[in-house]
Amino acid sequence: DADVTQTPRNRITKTGKRIMLECSQTKGHDRMYWYRQDPGLGLRLIYYSFDVKDINKGEISDGYSVSRQAQAKFSLSLESAIPNQTALYFCATSDRMKGAQETQYFGPGTRLLVL
Amino acid sequence: RKEVEQDPGPFNVPEGATVAFNCTYSNSASQSFFWYRQDCRKEPKLLMSVYSSGNEDGRFTAQLNRASQYISLLIRDSKLSDSATYLCVVNSGAGSYQLTFGKGTKLSVIP
Repeated sequence: DADVTQTPRNRITKTGKRIMLECSQTKGHDRMYWYRQDPGLGLRLIYYSFDVKDINKGEISDGYSVSRQAQAKFSLSLESAIPNQTALYFCATSDRMKGAQETQYFGPGTRLLVL
Repeated sequence: RKEVEQDPGPFNVPEGATVAFNCTYSNSASQSFFWYRQDCRKEPKLLMSVYSSGNEDGRFTAQLNRASQYISLLIRDSKLSDSATYLCVVNSGAGSYQLTFGKGTKLSVIP
């Protein structure tokens, strides 16, 4: 079984709809992240969470919200989807105990199309 | 100035060739450096960390030059399976666990 899972894997929605992307992990990591990837722009950080009570905005948080329901679950919501939120979304986790070599492990991604 | 810059490529090389990728970063306080690999339509996966003294993992060699804020990845004896996009990744500064990703360099290994 994959250590980091994302649901749904693909989603088509319409402008103005609210949608939620979910991420679960079995790695036991305390830190979780949401990124989006667009062609030619690379990965950009949306939100990150260092534990259940610690939520932080990333580079591009406008139009998004998150919820850390448990150490293993981190959800990303688009309150009112717009076409420029069409992208590939990745969840990632990391283990703070790794210190300077802390690295991130990614889920398989959710491909979102907003019409 | 962009925080992490890479040549986007594509690099098209024959099997067995040696290929090198370069990356520069702008934050002099960065302390952690990585190369990730991303296959088409897949998630990024850690290829290797980059240490100050340079490090090697099989056919892959990574080098770091802190003075020039420059990172490199060398792939020897390229295989078809090496075809992917290679992402240079740097942490955002001292004590920071946020990572900044380069846009990636695309490699195609040709039979």
